[in-house]
Order: sequence, then C-alpha cells, then structure tokens
Amino acid sequence: DTAVSQTPKYLVTQMGNDKSIKCEQNLGHDTMYWYKQDSKKFLKIMFSYNNKELIINETVPNRFSPKSPDKAHLNLHINSLELGDSAVYFCASRLTSNGELFFGEGSRLTVL
Amino acid sequence: TQLLEQSPQFLSIQEGENLTVYCNSSSVFSSLQWYRQEPGEGPVLLVTVVTGGEVKKLKRLTFQFGDARKDSSLHITAAQPGDTGLYLCAGASSSGSARQLTFGSGTQLTVLP
Repeated sequence: DTAVSQTPKYLVTQMGNDKSIKCEQNLGHDTMYWYKQDSKKFLKIMFSYNNKELIINETVPNRFSPKSPDKAHLNLHINSLELGDSAVYFCASRLTSNGELFFGEGSRLTVL
Repeated sequence: TQLLEQSPQFLSIQEGENLTVYCNSSSVFSSLQWYRQEPGEGPVLLVTVVTGGEVKKLKRLTFQFGDARKDSSLHITAAQPGDTGLYLCAGASSSGSARQLTFGSGTQLTVLP
C-alpha cells in the first residue's frame, strides 16, 4: 500500500493553463505539506495544513491554491501556469507529534 | 528565514572510500534530520538527532549534531554504489502551533563501482 500518493506523476502543459495535483495519505497523519523542488534540487516548503486548516503559507504566488477536503487529502491547484512553475512538486505528511516526514513520489510539472 | 548550507554540493567517489557531508546554519534548531532521495522518488528519512553533541550510527553511516545545534555532519564509511543519491539535511524549528522543517541545499553523492 502506498503511504503518500500523488497524481499525476507527470504533467506537461502550456503556459496560461490551469492544472491540479492531487495528494492522499493513508497513514492517519494530521499534517500535510506541499513542497517545490527546483532544478537545483532545492526543496522549499509551500503550504502546510493541520487538520484541514492552513498553518504555513510561504511566499507563494496566489496563483497557487491548496485545498484540503479532509485530513487525508491535500490538493494543489495552479492557475495561469508560467514557465517558472516547472518543477517537481512533493506532497508530504506527518503526525504533528512526530518529526518524520513521509513524502510522495513527486509530480513533475513541465510548462511549455 | 533560516538557511541550511550543505557542502559539498556534488561528490563523486570510488567504492570503498570514506566521505563526510556537512550541514551548517547560523540558526539553532530543536532537531535535525537527514534524508536520502533517489531519482524519481521522494526523500526518505535516515535519522533524527535531537541533543547537541549527539552521535547516531546507522550501519556505515554516522550522524553528528553540533554542540550548539547549528550544524551536523554525515560520515559514510566504505561507500557503496547503493549509497548513491541526494542527501538532504533538514532543521526543525517551532513556528507558532506548527513545526516547520527547513531543508538544506542538498549533496548529490555518486559512488562509482
């Protein structure tokens, strides 16, 4: 069973389009995250949700909107895609009381 | 913003050699973690160190947390091709009600057979 699963794994789209990436975790964790990994492999936090509530919202363009319908899901919607949005986006989860982050396999977004 | 600098950024060595990766910051962290990431996958936790000066061993990997809890090192003895991957350190700090992890810049290790 996959602990943290993201879909799609690959996404190629044109500039200006709107796209979504979905994430689900079956670990019973109460906190979920979205991270962006650029071409230099730097992993930067974008958002964090705790029990469906937004906790961390780093300096991210408001074209990015996370949505958490329940504790097990955290989706990422991106409007008006730009070339600079090309990256690998990782979903992760953990129990607030425990430090270990569990990551999904990543979603590679390519904007043409 | 808390920054974690890792060095070296790239490391290519022969099988059997030893190596050390460093993770440095000017900030104090409540704990520090090391992750390894392989191509096409997400990072996987290797270890968490909590106490200043703490040393943890995981088979051929030795992790140390600096006394001031600002830096850490990862030493690999007799490296093997299976050790190849991107090594990331991550410092934990408290931010309001949420604990936030700040990731280092990463060290790409390649072990040649």
